[in-house]
Amino acid sequence: SQTIHQWPATLVQPVGSPLSLECTVEGTSNPNLYWYRQAAGRGLQLLFYSVGIGQISSEVPQNLSASRPQDRQFILSSKKLLLSDSGFYLCAWSQSPDRNNEQFFGPGTRLTVL
Amino acid sequence: GDSVTQMEGPVTLSEEAFLTINCTYTATGYPSLFWYVQYPGEGLQLLLKATKADDKGSNKGFEATYRKETTSFHLEKGSVQVSDSAVYFCALSVSTNYQLIWGAGTKLIIKP
Repeated sequence: SQTIHQWPATLVQPVGSPLSLECTVEGTSNPNLYWYRQAAGRGLQLLFYSVGIGQISSEVPQNLSASRPQDRQFILSSKKLLLSDSGFYLCAWSQSPDRNNEQFFGPGTRLTVL
Repeated sequence: GDSVTQMEGPVTLSEEAFLTINCTYTATGYPSLFWYVQYPGEGLQLLLKATKADDKGSNKGFEATYRKETTSFHLEKGSVQVSDSAVYFCALSVSTNYQLIWGAGTKLIIKP
């Protein structure tokens, strides 16, 4: 069966510090991968998605970036965090190809920028 | 463009009450429809789905029917429990891209 991992689970960082969040998927190959952000009490905002190694699509211009160095690894980064980057970050995967685009989510990372 | 509209929350009910959370959509083509649930502090879990008109998705006592004529996918449960307290998201998928289109989410609070 497939599993998705995210780490760290929680993170407290000062403004201006760098960020690296990691997501890995097990039990499948060539998945589509997604990064979402959820601000407190808000809905889901798609940040990036990837359909293959080195292929990243950005949905929202911001100071975040994403990379996919391996087939089942997806990394979210920032060189300098802003207060507005605080939130709950969710990684998800879907099977490729999948007409339905059903997505499976990781447990999330709670980021607080102080 | 494609969109999903959910009823605003929070929705507050007493235990054993009947639940309806409305979801309507706008889409070209023939989307698949989903309900996801997010318990406090956790990621999202797929609750149920329907992939074509008149399909009924069901899971854990929840049901939703894909109504193409009214472009709706309302979530229902006959008797809610305190453990159903969560945020519920309606979403649709159009096969022409890799994304899900998400509703804003509806927070459900069940009081004992």
